[in-house]
Amino acid sequence: QVTLTESGPALVKPSQTLTLTCTFTGFSLTTSGMRVSWIRQPPGKALEWLARIDWDGAEYYSTSPRRTLTISNDTSKNQVVLTMTKVDPADTATYYCAREYYDILAGQIYYYYYMDVWGKGIPVTVSS
Amino acid sequence: DIQMTQSPSSLSASVGDRVTITCRASHTISNFLNWYQQKPGQAPRVLIYGAAVLQRGVPPRFSGSGSGTDFTLTISSLQPEDFATYYCQQSYSTPRTFGQGTKLEI
Repeated sequence: QVTLTESGPALVKPSQTLTLTCTFTGFSLTTSGMRVSWIRQPPGKALEWLARIDWDGAEYYSTSPRRTLTISNDTSKNQVVLTMTKVDPADTATYYCAREYYDILAGQIYYYYYMDVWGKGIPVTVSS
Repeated sequence: DIQMTQSPSSLSASVGDRVTITCRASHTISNFLNWYQQKPGQAPRVLIYGAAVLQRGVPPRFSGSGSGTDFTLTISSLQPEDFATYYCQQSYSTPRTFGQGTKLEI
């Protein structure tokens, strides 16, 4: 069974660094094609994709707005870590990690990726 | 980045109604389009991927269609548990992007 669990601080002061950890079970991020993304959702607002790390170590980041995000993985612990420097109150949100899994449709040659398993999310407030 | 625009932003309907939500991409994305359902206080749940493929365990009253830039999610006969917010998301390119959501209300 695949599970993902987010952990980290509930409250962070403005200008500080936020570090969030996603601990997963039921799959390995070293398996070809596996990916883990971070997504956030400010209160009452839409989902916003932040970053992703792939099985080969490739990292991808949101471009809007440009911010100091870093994603990394620790394969020995089955964890993916997201750090966000210089946070401000606009970063108040529930942060989710999710596995990006894929299917190859009949007659197709492409990988159709989708976020098939999500963590429960962790609410983070940025406030002094 | 590819922008995803959903309409309507909110929708009132009744149990048993047929409902359609649309999603438009700012650039062609072939059929690399996913739909998610989110209930209050819960994480999103994938309903459809590849524009039209039903995820395992999702009731067949949900269906998706479209290709290129225009997509639809249809619920054929609304059930009480379907009242939620729905998001489209493109998986054609990175960064991934979501629509702004459609809140389906009773």
